[in-house]
Formats: sequence, structure tokens, C-alpha cells
Amino acid sequence: DVKVTQSSRYLVKRTGEKVFLECVQDMDHENMFWYRQDPGLGLRLIYFSYDVKMKEKGDIPEGYSVSREKKERFSLILESASTNQTSMYLCASSVHREASGYEQYFGPGTRLTVT
Amino acid sequence: EDQVTQSPEALRLQEGESSSLNCSYTVSGLRGLFWYRQDPGKGPEFLFTLYSAGEEKEKERLKATLTKKESFLHITAPKPEDSATYLCAVPDWGKLQFGAGTQVVVTP
Repeated sequence: DVKVTQSSRYLVKRTGEKVFLECVQDMDHENMFWYRQDPGLGLRLIYFSYDVKMKEKGDIPEGYSVSREKKERFSLILESASTNQTSMYLCASSVHREASGYEQYFGPGTRLTVT
Repeated sequence: EDQVTQSPEALRLQEGESSSLNCSYTVSGLRGLFWYRQDPGKGPEFLFTLYSAGEEKEKERLKATLTKKESFLHITAPKPEDSATYLCAVPDWGKLQFGAGTQVVVTP
């Protein structure tokens, strides 16, 4: 079974704080992703990574950065949290297959509230 | 740009009342279509992958089918535990493009 874990289920932070969200997968997947999910807006991709030390911007990277120092771990960083970053954050991982699509496996999510 | 559209947005069913959800897409060279189930407050759970028109996959009361332009998720004789949001997605150069989802509520 694929297992994707996220460091916290619920997190409350103050405006201006630096926030770290951690994600770990145990299936040796090459690709890892960070999404946020908001009512009425669906899943939106923030950043993704194809390999260690590689990162690619998704659709909404502003206000976020990422770090991938090890294959199994992908961190999302909010440099200075703002109230509009209150959201559900979801991490996912997938194998890398060039010739066809590849399903992503999601973690349980972190509900972040910025006050 | 590739588009993924799901309908209806919401569906309310009586227990045992079968129905279908639709996922239509506009992509060139489909490289797979994925269905997920998401319970409130949780991450999406992978259900099926379909790769070619005519393909079908089944899991308990769920059956997914694929044509050249759309996919259907059929729910046969649903139970209250089938209540969830169902998402479909298509690959987009290493990423997944998700539809907005169909929220299904099954009442006893």
C-alpha cells in the first residue's frame, strides 16, 4: 500500500510566521506534489518535483516555496503566512512513467488556519 | 488549454437509486483518466485508471467507463457510505488536471 503522510492534520499559525508543512512517502516515488484545496476552487497545484533538489512551479506558487533534499520528503514553506493562505493543503506522490499517465496518491491533508 | 468538466455538481440519491456521474475532457492524446473519491476533511483516495476508449473498471458498487470524449462513473444501488465527492483527472505533462468534482449524498 502506498503511504503518504503529512506532519500535521491541523495547524494554527499567526500572520507573518514562517510555516513548514512536511510530506513523506514510502513508495520510492519520483514525483511529489503540493496542492491547496478551497471550497468552490477545487484542487490547485502549488509546486511539484520530479527528483531530488528539483522543483517546478504549479498554478499558484506565489507566497510559497518548497524543498526536496531527499527523495521521500517534500516540504512546503510559507515564508510569511497570510490569512488568505488559510486552506487545506494536500501532498501527493506518483511514479514517473514517460509514456503514459500516472496516478497520484494523496496524503490525509493539513488544515492550516492563519489568524 | 485542456479542460476537465464534471457534472452534475451535486447529486442526492436515495439508498438503492442508481445513477451516473460524468467527466468530459478536451485533451489531445489522452494518456489516462483517473477517478478519485474524497471524504470531507480527507485527501482524495485513488479509485481507477482508464487508458483507452471502451475500457471499464469496477470496484464494489462503482463502475467507470471511458469513451473518446468522456468518462462515466456509475454508482449501482448506492449505500450511505458511498456519500463523498468524486473527482476525475487527466494527465497534463507530469501534472494532473482535476475536475471540480461531483458531491454525492446518499440518504437511507
